[in-house]
Amino acid sequence: TQLLEQSPQFLSIQEGENLTVYCNSSSVFSSLQWYRQEPGEGPVLLVTVVTGGEVKKLKRLTFQFGDARKDSSLHITAAQPGDTGLYLCAPGGYQKVTFGTGTKLQVIP
Amino acid sequence: NAGVTQTPKFQVLKTGQSMTLQCAQDMNHNSMYWYRQDPGMGLRLIYYSASEGTTDKGEVPNGYNVSRLNKREFSLRLESAAPSQTSVYFCASRGQGGANEQFFGPGTRLTVL
Repeated sequence: TQLLEQSPQFLSIQEGENLTVYCNSSSVFSSLQWYRQEPGEGPVLLVTVVTGGEVKKLKRLTFQFGDARKDSSLHITAAQPGDTGLYLCAPGGYQKVTFGTGTKLQVIP
Repeated sequence: NAGVTQTPKFQVLKTGQSMTLQCAQDMNHNSMYWYRQDPGMGLRLIYYSASEGTTDKGEVPNGYNVSRLNKREFSLRLESAAPSQTSVYFCASRGQGGANEQFFGPGTRLTVL
């Protein structure tokens, strides 16, 4: 099992603020995925990062895969209430998919 | 194209009762998964099936059994429910290739009294 630690565990911020959440492991991954889960729903894929050092942007969300492919970060610029949810990372390349511990984000209007 | 469907949406059981959670996908995916999510927590893998005819334990398999009935359907059975199994249960499926995304069902909210 690939252990993925996410930090912070909880984050409550005002609308318009910037934030970064992290996904860390001691294992090397061929790829890593970020999902967002809104209250009462199942998780939905946001992005898959594949190459060490890769940066992907999805509107106000910026995802980075660490050079050594052991960690990843998600940066949100000018957070909005619609960004509220649980952010989960998961390794690609494995049949047995175990998720990170998750970061619960609340954006206050 | 319904994606991943789960039944029932809600269920209340008494301690010791049994039940089966049903999951079906119409995307012709090989892999299917069962997760549980406790309040305010992340997802924990119960069992998964990499292909029709195979099942494997995940992180928290105790107290559960699964059946991959065919390529479309993957059921989760609680033989003797316990209050510790109160949770939201999500089924997911994934296509070929390790980097492919998982598609999740809407979840089953189970309470064991």
